[in-house]
Amino acid sequence: EVQLVESGGGLVKPGGSLRLSCAASGFTFGTYTINWVRQAPGKGLQWVSSISSTGSYIYYTDSVKGRFTISRDNAENSLYLQMNSLRVEDTAVYYCARSSSPPKFDYWGQGILVTVSS
Amino acid sequence: QTVVTQEASFSVSPGGTVTLTCGLTSGSVLTTYYPSWYQQAPGQAPRTLIYNTNTRSSGIPDRFSGSIVGDKAALTIAGAQADDESDYYCVLYMGSGVWLFGGGTKLTVL
Repeated sequence: EVQLVESGGGLVKPGGSLRLSCAASGFTFGTYTINWVRQAPGKGLQWVSSISSTGSYIYYTDSVKGRFTISRDNAENSLYLQMNSLRVEDTAVYYCARSSSPPKFDYWGQGILVTVSS
Repeated sequence: QTVVTQEASFSVSPGGTVTLTCGLTSGSVLTTYYPSWYQQAPGQAPRTLIYNTNTRSSGIPDRFSGSIVGDKAALTIAGAQADDESDYYCVLYMGSGVWLFGGGTKLTVL
């Protein structure tokens, strides 16, 4: 069974940093692109970042470029999101989601809440 | 900046049929954007319904179908049930690793 489990969320002050993790199991992690998708309270879903299977290709939505860094450790079946210079508007539930071809998000984690507040 | 548009809300009677749409502020939704649809019940993670315009994800009943209607992608739900009451999101793959989500449609079954 495919499982994606996020961790590392919590409350952080504006300008602070946080590192999210996503532990994967039930599939060959190193052969899939993995993504972060977020959802602000009461709002819609927003794609944040993607990393290809080997980590060679990395993409970000404009609002997080230069502040967030996605990475992965295929030996540990884990995905990470280092979030720096956090803003109030980064407050959201962050989902780890696997994507596959043809392009789609086929499996989602349960999400982890990040709250940026003073 | 291109935005994916969806109806903010929609209502359907139990047993009825509803079609939700997904458009672009500039241009048409093409199959080459690989439109996909996701259902999100309150407090839950999204669930994949449809991908590649009209392919149902594993375990999704054939009451759910996808298509292109005119210049938009469409999700049709036939025989609506109470537990279809959810938010529905359209997603387009724009290429080069970039994904665009629609704002979502809140579907009420009453």
